[in-house]
Amino acid sequence: KAGVTQTPRYLIKTRGQQVTLSCSPISGHRSVSWYQQTPGQGLQFLFEYFSETQRNKGNFPGRFSGRQFSNSRSEMNVSTLELGDSALYLCASSPPTGIGNYEQYFGPGTRLTVT
Amino acid sequence: AQKVTQAQTEISVVEKEDVTLDCVYETRDTTYYLFWYKQPPSGELVFLIRRNSFDEQNEISGRYSWNFQKSTSSFNFTITASQVVDSAVYFCALSRAGNNRKLIWGLGTSLAVNP
Repeated sequence: KAGVTQTPRYLIKTRGQQVTLSCSPISGHRSVSWYQQTPGQGLQFLFEYFSETQRNKGNFPGRFSGRQFSNSRSEMNVSTLELGDSALYLCASSPPTGIGNYEQYFGPGTRLTVT
Repeated sequence: AQKVTQAQTEISVVEKEDVTLDCVYETRDTTYYLFWYKQPPSGELVFLIRRNSFDEQNEISGRYSWNFQKSTSSFNFTITASQVVDSAVYFCALSRAGNNRKLIWGLGTSLAVNP
């Protein structure tokens, strides 16, 4: 099976702009989670989508939003970018819930730089 | 609140040495899941292992082994006969049971294996 794919891999934006990142999960996976990774804060959970519904949400401002489509592909959007939003954004997909099905498989990430 | 602590920020060893990466967690849940992930320089997080809280059996996979002890809330990871390819950042993570894919991460341990 193909792994989790994320596009674009690298992005440079200016403060105040908005950005949309895309994630395609592993085939058959319906849960997609997003994480932000920075040197200072480490890995932090943004949100999780399952069957087009946000199921869990981390402690990020409303500028961070996401959605999931019927084919399980997900996008996350950051509006009014700030310098502190510069980070590696990681997407992960997970198999359907069941015993032994809690692993998350990660994509290569999108490196966002805000100038 | 849930928390994961990886006290070792950086470890440097010479090839063929054994190395243990420590992970201590905090949770009030009786059912939870623990994970180890590897992040090589390429940046993609690679799933290594998941351990259920109700299964304290230790696990060995090739040169990798994991020691889960609920009594001390620890889930340590040992690499036997380390190799240069083991150089990476290793993360320990915790999640709750149920329909919850939110991972709480430690800050990671950067392992450098020198030839």
